[in-house]
Amino acid sequence: SYVLTQPPSVSVAPGQSARITCGGNNIGSKNVHWYQQKPGQAPVLVVYDDSDRPSGIPERFSGSNSGNTAALTISRVEAGDEADYYCQVWDSSSDHYVFGTGTKVTVL
Amino acid sequence: QITLKESGPTLVKPTQTLTLTCTFSGFSLSTSGVGVGWIRQPPGKALEWLALIYWDDDKRYSPSLKSRLTITKDTSKNQVVLTMTNMDPVDTATYYCAHSKWEVRAFDIWGQGTMVTVSS
Repeated sequence: SYVLTQPPSVSVAPGQSARITCGGNNIGSKNVHWYQQKPGQAPVLVVYDDSDRPSGIPERFSGSNSGNTAALTISRVEAGDEADYYCQVWDSSSDHYVFGTGTKVTVL
Repeated sequence: QITLKESGPTLVKPTQTLTLTCTFSGFSLSTSGVGVGWIRQPPGKALEWLALIYWDDDKRYSPSLKSRLTITKDTSKNQVVLTMTNMDPVDTATYYCAHSKWEVRAFDIWGQGTMVTVSS
């Protein structure tokens, strides 16, 4: 089955940029989606189809995808961005949905 | 405005069958391209996709749990039901249902989740 690997944690100072990676075999050929989950809350979709943002999501959230790595970048990080972030793809070969291992973003 | 809400037991015993209901509003599961999925999250752990049902009644299951899961829909009631057999303590988790679109394959709107504990 398809596996998505994320770093367990990323730390960033306020105002700086945070880059969260999501590794998978030839992930560049798939559409990657990103979710933000704050403690005690349901996940929220922040980026879909590699780099599109749902309505209401700040432009500070951006995504990229190429080769074996996709990434979510949070620019001008704020304290409110502290959360767990998950990548997700639909694996067309198996017609299954897959979530990444998750990354905890800590704002210093 | 799309909303989803999960309901079901908060406590089940090992070997029992869990039945969860997702009641939604703001969309119809008879509309082409619409799907509702179930995702769970054990305490302190990552999200895990379980199952998804499409507007045309096509169904997909996690390969690791396929033998234990059944997903159905009742379009007239705006509900999706997930059953999981032979529950075990490792199935203790928050269970979410979420809206999806065929053309995007992401989960754009989530329910608040319901915590299920498996214990004797």
